[in-house]
Amino acid sequence: DAGITQSPRYKITETGRQVTLMCHQTWSHSYMFWYRQDLGHGLRLIYYSAAADITDKGEVPDGYVVSRSKTENFPLTLESATRSQTSVYFCASTGQDPEETQYFGPGTRLLVL
Amino acid sequence: QKEVEQDPGPLSVPEGAIVSLNCTYSNSAFQYFMWYRQYSRKGPELLMYTYSSGNKEDGRFTAQVDKSSKYISLFIRDSQPSDSATYLCAMKRGSQGNLIFGKGTKLSVKP
Repeated sequence: DAGITQSPRYKITETGRQVTLMCHQTWSHSYMFWYRQDLGHGLRLIYYSAAADITDKGEVPDGYVVSRSKTENFPLTLESATRSQTSVYFCASTGQDPEETQYFGPGTRLLVL
Repeated sequence: QKEVEQDPGPLSVPEGAIVSLNCTYSNSAFQYFMWYRQYSRKGPELLMYTYSSGNKEDGRFTAQVDKSSKYISLFIRDSQPSDSATYLCAMKRGSQGNLIFGKGTKLSVKP
């Protein structure tokens, strides 16, 4: 199916563990993004990527690592999870057309105990 | 001052009411303005997209941008219970810029 998918949809982990959230899009969009959404803060950009092997920091990158070896995949890794990283994580993508905007995945709910 | 300000609500209206949602912003370089709708436990979905100033209408929805006042609005006519959701404004500077989001306004339309 065309679109943008995220996995897992729900994840419970413990402080200090490494967690990887997956994002996959089938549109061959150039740009991909990771956001976190928290009450009182709205959507905040963690990292983004303009193309394969090109990534850059967003507003709240600390504690996160990304990679983009293939255009369609953009995994987000929490190297050592902390309770403050409990959040809902959204992946998004967009193409090169300036009229296009971002399309969001369904989100991953992460709880760090 | 935050780049984008949006009243989080919640906003509760009766079915059939006209709803007005607003955002203000501080950066005059913003050129692209969007409204996203987010249902509970779902990802945001694009509702309206406007470039520069002016109005755009799509069915019951009208988006307005007033760049001189740094103010954008979304109007919903004949609101329905299915419009109950959180509405996020978003904007960006250039065609390839990153989106800056408001915190979202939670709307509830009562039957």
